[in-house]
Amino acid sequence: GDSVTQMEGPVTLSEEAFLTINCTYTATGYPSLFWYVQYPGEGLQLLLKATKADDKGSNKGFEATYRKETTSFHLEKGSVQVSDSAVYFCALSSSLGGSNYKLTFGKGTLLTVNP
Amino acid sequence: NAGVMQNPRHLVRRRGQEARLRCSPVKGHSHVYWYRQLPEEGLKFMVYLQKENIIDESGMPKERFSAEFPKEGPSILRIQQVVRGDSAAYFCASSPGLEEQFFGPGTRLTVL
Repeated sequence: GDSVTQMEGPVTLSEEAFLTINCTYTATGYPSLFWYVQYPGEGLQLLLKATKADDKGSNKGFEATYRKETTSFHLEKGSVQVSDSAVYFCALSSSLGGSNYKLTFGKGTLLTVNP
Repeated sequence: NAGVMQNPRHLVRRRGQEARLRCSPVKGHSHVYWYRQLPEEGLKFMVYLQKENIIDESGMPKERFSAEFPKEGPSILRIQQVVRGDSAAYFCASSPGLEEQFFGPGTRLTVL
């Protein structure tokens, strides 16, 4: 079945450091790929998405590129801020048989950014 | 606009009791999804409902678990005779159709 593997946390960075959170996936067909972010005490929010190979999703300075050849969707940001401290989830939705509502998530990566 | 509301946020039950988790979707959203996050795991799909209908319950355990989304009122995830292995975070999401899902903050269930 579909699965998502993402970098184990926690990740601790200083403000303005470069961020990479690795994400690889296994899926049948051509899934859509997502990054969600969960701030303390809140629900998951969609951060960015990509629906086909070589698409780049971007939002709030974060970006990720759908790499079909390496089955990866790594999240990057050039300069993190304290306000980026949160849990980040990589996810995919199946492309099979009309079940694209079914999201498969990685375990989440806790990011802490220190001033 | 109010987002997805879940209550309670924390729920403690003893083994054998019932747990009822409530989810109020974003106003106007008719699609509701429940996910479960066990310790050290990612969120796993449980069930997808539209008003008064269960569309896909393939991720929900066959025994003790049930879900509903009535015409009026919140969606309810019900767990009967809870066991320690049911301890998890339960997330609800809603959408207006088959596009972006908006998630609630989750209910943390602890079974003693």
